[in-house]
Amino acid sequence: DIQMTQSPSSLSASVGDRATITCRASQSIGRYLNWYQQKPGNVPKVLIYGASSLQSGVPSRFSGSGSGTDFTLTISSLQPEDFATYYCQHSYSTPYSFGQGTKLEIK
Amino acid sequence: QVLLVESGGGVVQPGRSLRLSCEASGFTFGSYTMHWVRQAPGKGLEWVALISYDGSNDFYADSVKGRFTISRDNSKNRLSLQMSSLRSEDTALYYCARERGTVRGPHFDDWGQGTLVTVSS
Repeated sequence: DIQMTQSPSSLSASVGDRATITCRASQSIGRYLNWYQQKPGNVPKVLIYGASSLQSGVPSRFSGSGSGTDFTLTISSLQPEDFATYYCQHSYSTPYSFGQGTKLEIK
Repeated sequence: QVLLVESGGGVVQPGRSLRLSCEASGFTFGSYTMHWVRQAPGKGLEWVALISYDGSNDFYADSVKGRFTISRDNSKNRLSLQMSSLRSEDTALYYCARERGTVRGPHFDDWGQGTLVTVSS
C-alpha cells in the first residue's frame, strides 16, 4: 500500500503570507494526487486534483504542483477563511490513502 | 444539486453489527463509483471502501477487510456499508463520497455530512 506523508503537521502563518504544504508518497503515483480542505465541523472539500488542476469555484490563490513522489500545495496570499486543515490523497491505486493532515493556524 | 445523506449511525457494543446507508440525489447515481471515508474524533481522514458504478467491483482498507461490506442499489439511489465485528477503533464519523473521474485521475467531489458510529460497551 502507498503511504502519504505530509509536512508540516501544523503551520502558523499570518493573513497575506504565502503558505506551502508538502506531501510525499511512498512510491511513484504519477500525478494522481488530490488536495482537500476541511474546516472545523465541516465536510472535506476538494481544492486540487490531478496534482495541479484547480477544482471549479476554488480561488486561484490555491495551486498545486509535483509529480512522482513529491507534491506541494501553495496558498499565495492567505485569507482568513483559509485557516483550516489540509489533506493530500492519492488516487493511483486502492487503497486511496490520505496524508495525516496539516493544520494551518493563524499566527 | 448533488445531495448525499448518510444515516444508520449510533452507539453499538464491540463485536456487534451496524448498517449505514447513504441516499443520493441530484445526479445519476448509477454512473458513479462511490466511497466510504471515515474520520475518528479529532483525527484525520481514512479511506474505507469503494464500489464501482455497477457494483461489480469493490475494494477495502486493510483495517476493515473481512468485516465490512459495501453495496449499492442503483434502483433506489442508495449506497450501504454493512459493518460487523465492530471494534472501538471503528468509532468515527462515516462519510459517503462521490468519485469524479477525470483524465487527471479520480477525486471526491461531493461528500455527505456524515453519520457518527460509536463502538462502546
